[in-house]
Amino acid sequence: NAGVTQTPKFRVLKTGQSMTLLCAQDMNHEYMYWYRQDPGMGLRLIHYSVGEGTTAKGEVPDGYNVSRLKKQNFLLGLESAAPSQTSVYFCASSYLLTAAPTDTQYFGPGTRLTVL
Amino acid sequence: DAKTTQPPSMDCAEGRAANLPCNHSTISGNEYVYWYRQIHSQGPQYIIHGLKNNETNEMASLIITEDRKSSTLILPHATLRDTAVYYCIVRVATWRDDKIIFGKGTRLHILP
Repeated sequence: NAGVTQTPKFRVLKTGQSMTLLCAQDMNHEYMYWYRQDPGMGLRLIHYSVGEGTTAKGEVPDGYNVSRLKKQNFLLGLESAAPSQTSVYFCASSYLLTAAPTDTQYFGPGTRLTVL
Repeated sequence: DAKTTQPPSMDCAEGRAANLPCNHSTISGNEYVYWYRQIHSQGPQYIIHGLKNNETNEMASLIITEDRKSSTLILPHATLRDTAVYYCIVRVATWRDDKIIFGKGTRLHILP
């Protein structure tokens, strides 16, 4: 049981390039999330998904797209990277909320992205 | 915007109890209080959560005031490994919308 994994761990892009970050979870969780964390800041929610085939915008969605074609995977795409998107990106997953109140979010190890 | 207010940093001596406060004066009746922590360069880690009763687990205790407008996370015997940023979050557990907003948290320094 690997939990939540993220690929890649590090990446350097040039302005205007595109890339996709992959998040995978093997806990059969319904909910998945993408956050970004900038120095001295808390986590800010980019997009999230409440189930396979569904996505929704979070706090800072502009410049990002997501897809949840399979329940275990949640992809975050940057179509045209900008220096302002330099950040650490965390993926998380959680159980279906009808299982609350004991559900918690499980986080991946993060992806460090630098846009030059 | 985060619905909680926390001090930006705190110090605590090793072996003592660390008490981290959180204000959530606009909390709704169906919102839970959650605490997470983030050790340097790692993903956040769940600690504890509660609705209105005090809660305790193997990591910490959570004390929620009777009016639910504030809470305190207690680490009973802090160690150097507890040095981290601690986030207090309020959230509604509904199946339709599970946006979880982290604020800036409290940076806890455990002093040897």
